[in-house]
Order: sequence, then C-alpha cells, then structure tokens
Amino acid sequence: DVQLVESGGGLIQPGGSLRLSCAASGFIVRSNYVSWVRQAPGKGLEWVSIIYAGGNTKYADSVKGRFTISRDTSRNIVFLQLDNLRAVDTAVYFCARGKPYDFWFWGQGTLVTVSS
Amino acid sequence: SDVLTQPPSVSVAPGQTAKIPCGGNIIGSERVHWYQQKPGQAPALVVYDNIERPSRIPERFSGSNSGNTATLTITRVEDGDEADYYCQVWDSTSDHVVFGGGTKLTVL
Repeated sequence: DVQLVESGGGLIQPGGSLRLSCAASGFIVRSNYVSWVRQAPGKGLEWVSIIYAGGNTKYADSVKGRFTISRDTSRNIVFLQLDNLRAVDTAVYFCARGKPYDFWFWGQGTLVTVSS
Repeated sequence: SDVLTQPPSVSVAPGQTAKIPCGGNIIGSERVHWYQQKPGQAPALVVYDNIERPSRIPERFSGSNSGNTATLTITRVEDGDEADYYCQVWDSTSDHVVFGGGTKLTVL
C-alpha cells in the first residue's frame, strides 16, 4: 500500500528554518512525482513545490528562493527545506504523490507555525 | 498564473443532486481534477482528467467541462458527502499547480 508520512513541523520564529520530511512507502520516490501542498488555518489548498521523477523541481512564486525540495533516494524520503519563514507560511504541509499533477495519495500533514 | 473560481458554499438536501462549478479561462485547455476534504483529514481525489473517477469513488460522483467551467456533480447526496471540494489544474503556461478556492458542501 502507498503511504506518505510527514514530519518535522513545529513552532518556529519568523526568519527561522525548518526541514520537513515525507517518508514514502509502497512506491519509489526516484521514479515518481511528489509535491508539497499547504493549507493555512481555515483556508484553502495551496501548491508549494514538486520534484519530478528525473529530479527537476518547481516552486510556487510565494516560496521561490526560500523553500527547497529535495529527496534521499536511499531512504525513499522527500524533503522540504523552509528558510526565512514568515507568519504567512503558517499552515499544515501535506506531501502528495501525483501522476504528475493529479494527486492520488496524500499524507496526513505536519503543522508549521511561524510566530514570535 | 490563472485563477480558478468556486462558490464558497453549496447546500443540498439529502437525496438531491449537488453541482459544484469551477470557472476560469484555463479550464478549456487543461485537465481538471477534483478533491474532497473532510474536517481534520487530508484531501482525497474524487475526479481526475475532467471526467475520470478513481475506482474507489462511487459512481454518484462525476465531472464535466463546458467552455470555461468545470463542474463536479454529486447525485443522490448523502450526509457523508458533506465536505470541502477543490478543483485543480496544472497551468502549463506558468508551470504551476493551481487550486480553486474551495466549496463547502452542506447537506441540509
């Protein structure tokens, strides 16, 4: 069965950094497309980033230059490095496996709270 | 990037048909996907590629496109269908995934 499990969220001060992890099982991340999607409290879904099977990456304009998506194929994990965090980045962050842009499998999410 | 417009809310009585629209200039040129999200849960794909349905999704759920509007239709609505619904496309012009603002379906 396909599973994605996010971790690494928490409370962080503005300007700080966090690294989120998405541990995948039931499929191989280096052969698939994995995205990060976030949801601010009480708000809708916002796509953040994608890493393609070939390793290429893309980002939403709101996070470009501050967030970095990467993967560790030996551990089958996808990461999202969040730098220079702002209050508006407060959200639940989901990772999702896509085909490539329709998201068939989702993790349960990890909450990032940016506050002083 | 383009914008996908959804009504904030739709209400329907049990057993009736709910139609949730998603409008935008990009609709006619990109494949539309739909997600259901219940409180405290991750989204779940209910329609992909405009009209296709994952095997686990009941036939009561269907998608359609006409011009610049995509529509998710839920027939014989049940209490368990109460959720937020999001449309989504890949904007090949901007290379971005775009979500609609979401529609809260209330079963009266």
